[in-house]
Parts: sequence; structure tokens; C-alpha cells
Amino acid sequence: AQTVTQSQPEMSVQEAETVTLSCTYDTSESDYYLFWYKQPPSRQMILVIRQEAYKQQNATENRFSVNFQKAAKSFSLKISDSQLGDAAMYFCAYRNPRGQLTFGSGTQLTVLP
Amino acid sequence: DAGVIQSPRHEVTEMGQEVTLRCKPISGHDYLFWYRQTMMRGLELLIYFNNNVPIDDSGMPEDRFSAKMPNASFSTLKIQPSEPRDSAVYFCASSLRRTAAYGYTFGSGTRLTVV
Repeated sequence: AQTVTQSQPEMSVQEAETVTLSCTYDTSESDYYLFWYKQPPSRQMILVIRQEAYKQQNATENRFSVNFQKAAKSFSLKISDSQLGDAAMYFCAYRNPRGQLTFGSGTQLTVLP
Repeated sequence: DAGVIQSPRHEVTEMGQEVTLRCKPISGHDYLFWYRQTMMRGLELLIYFNNNVPIDDSGMPEDRFSAKMPNASFSTLKIQPSEPRDSAVYFCASSLRRTAAYGYTFGSGTRLTVV
């Protein structure tokens, strides 16, 4: 079974600064996908960024980027130039070849003005 | 595209009552997932369907829970009888197999409170 671990229950960052959220996962499969989802207080789950395991290049979406270390099974999210609207719960998720999506326990991000 | 639609948004019911949560996936999507979110256990996959067929229901906590997908545009999650420990936010999500690599689209969730 796959497990996804987010070891930081809470993080805070000053507005305009950079923050990195950690995620590790455990799998024996070689073909999979990784995602970061954002859940603001509205509780809507919003896809932030995704990474295909077969791609070595780290994904980037505007201010959001990942550091994907396949051998270490690590998938961290970097948020640059943090904004107040980035405050939310962030979930790391692993998708196996059969389509199942497993989530980590989440990191609550606070952005300080 | 209206996205994944869940109803009701909030549900309060008494212990022992039957509760039915509803989900309308995005048109054309062939995967549908039901998740439960609690503070203690986080986001748990309960069951998922592919082309209306249940593929894996190993996450369904017990026989009080059942899910159906009678057609491609509708799914229900039923709890009978409900218990206070079932209180949680229940999410439905859908995806198209060939684009599942792009992630899943979630509904807004149903907050269930069992008193």
C-alpha cells in the first residue's frame, strides 16, 4: 500500500518570502503521479501542481514549483513570493497506475502580513 | 462546465437516521471517487468507480455505508443507520481516465453532522 507523509502539520511564512512544504511517499511502483492540492477555508480542493514520475524535470506553475527526488521518494512544494491568498491547508497526493489517489495528512500554511 | 456537483452542502441528522449524499460528476468523466475528511484521519478514499462499476470499496468503513452509481451522471453514498462518528466532510471527485494525470476535480463537499 502507498503511504504519503507530510511531517510539517503547520508552517508560516512572511508575505513575499519563500516557503517549502515537505512530502515523502512510499511505493514500489515506477509509474505514478504526484500532486499538491490546496484547501482554503472554503474547503474546496484546488489542484496546485502535478508531476509525472517518469519526468526528471521539476514541474513549475507560476510561483509554485516542486523539487522531485524520485530515488529519495521526496516531493516538496516551494511557494515563492508568498501572498495572503496562499494561506490554506496543502495536501500532497500520490496517484497509482490504477487511478487511486492517496493523500498526506496536510500542512496548514499561514501567511503573515 | 459546472464542475462536480454535490448535494446537500450541509446535512444535520439524528443518530440512527438514514443519510444519502449525492454527486454529479463532470460530464464525460469515467472515474468517480468518494472521500471522507476528518481531523483525526485526514482524507480517506472510501470507494471509487470506473465506468459506473465499483472498482475498490476497501475503504468503506463498515456495512452501514453503501455507494451506487446507477449511471454515468449520478452517484450516491448512503449511511444507514448513521452514527455520531460518521460526522465528517464527504467529497466526491471525478476524472477522465486518459487525463487522470492532470489530477481529479473535486466537488465542494458535504459536511455531515450526526447528533
